[in-house]
Amino acid sequence: NAGVTQTPKFRILKIGQSMTLQCTQDMNHNYMYWYRQDPGMGLKLIYYSVGAGITDKGEVPNGYNVSRSTTEDFPLRLELAAPSQTSVYFCASSFPGQGANIQYFGAGTRLSVL
Amino acid sequence: DAKTTQPNSMESNEEEPVHLPCNHSTISGTDYIHWYRQLPSQGPEYVIHGLTSNVNNRMASLAIAEDRKSSTLILHRATLRDAAVYYCILRDNWAGTYKYIFGTGTRLKVLA
Repeated sequence: NAGVTQTPKFRILKIGQSMTLQCTQDMNHNYMYWYRQDPGMGLKLIYYSVGAGITDKGEVPNGYNVSRSTTEDFPLRLELAAPSQTSVYFCASSFPGQGANIQYFGAGTRLSVL
Repeated sequence: DAKTTQPNSMESNEEEPVHLPCNHSTISGTDYIHWYRQLPSQGPEYVIHGLTSNVNNRMASLAIAEDRKSSTLILHRATLRDAAVYYCILRDNWAGTYKYIFGTGTRLKVLA
């Protein structure tokens, strides 16, 4: 059981380049999330999805786009990368239940924009 | 979203109990209290959650104040592998919002 898988693990981008961070989960979870974590800080929610075809903005959505065409996959797209997007990106998934909604996180993608 | 307040850092000796406090004075009646921890260079992992009653699981115990304005995560015997950042988070169950607001957490250092 792989859980939440993120690719790539590391990436260096030049300013203005674009890329897609991949996230796949094999737990049949309805809910999926993208967070970013800057050095020494907590996680900030970028986007989340409550099911295939449904996405919504989190705290810091500017500069990012998402899509959810399947239950398993929730890619995060960076268009026109900027140095401010240098961060560690975490994908998570959950199955909402009464009080629980335990989120399972991937290992993260470390992105540097130079 | 209700906020939580935690100390920036704490230290504990190995094999001793650790009490990690969290204040959430604006908690609403439908907010669940969740704790996650993040080991170095890893994603966060779930530790425990509760609503009103104290909770125990294999990882930790959660003590919730009677007025619910504070809670304490208890690690009964700290090990070096427990060195991590611990996040106390409120989740609003009633509104159907399944979003967590992470603060900066408490960095736990365990001394050998």
